[in-house]
Amino acid sequence: GDSVTQTEGLVTLTEGLPVMLNCTYQTIYSNPFLFWYVQHLNESPRLLLKSFTDNKRTEHQGFHATLHKSSSSFHLQKSSAQLSDSALYYCAENYNQGKLIFGQGTKLSIKP
Amino acid sequence: EAAVTQSPRSKVAVTGGKVTLSCHQTNNHDYMYWYRQDTGHGLRLIHYSYVADSTEKGDIPDGYKASRPSQENFSLILELASLSQTAVYFCASRWPGQGTGNTLYFGEGSRLIVV
Repeated sequence: GDSVTQTEGLVTLTEGLPVMLNCTYQTIYSNPFLFWYVQHLNESPRLLLKSFTDNKRTEHQGFHATLHKSSSSFHLQKSSAQLSDSALYYCAENYNQGKLIFGQGTKLSIKP
Repeated sequence: EAAVTQSPRSKVAVTGGKVTLSCHQTNNHDYMYWYRQDTGHGLRLIHYSYVADSTEKGDIPDGYKASRPSQENFSLILELASLSQTAVYFCASRWPGQGTGNTLYFGEGSRLIVV
């Protein structure tokens, strides 16, 4: 079946450094929709960005990601980390009408 | 703004007891979902529903039942709560739409501790 893999459970960075959170997926569908959700402490997950188009950069709130179907990847990046970026980040794929499958999540911790 | 509300927000249950988690949405969304969140496992789909009076099994349905009596309400039922069901549970809703990229709106979460 379909799956989403986030290899890093915890990423710790110093403020101002670039952020890259990895996400790869496996799917039988030729046109998957990929998402990044962010969950701040004591809050519920909310959509950060999403993409359906191959090789097109998607940006929102300073973060960006590009869906690469050739490598089945949808990595999340930001040029300069801020303290407020500390949160739990989930990569997800819509693998069947109405169903999303989530990765294990990556906790991003930004230090001053 | 989308609105999904869950109750109770926190509950301590006894092993073997019955637990009902309730979810109410005012988004007029057709699709509703129950996920559980565990450290290291992310968010895993338990049950979901496309329409009132119908539910579908998700990826980890064992030990859980679901009920969708109306478009607005979706409940998760643990008939015999077990220690392994200690987790945070999230309800969510979304538009079906024509595509599959519609946003999932989550409730605040329900923290369940089974003792």
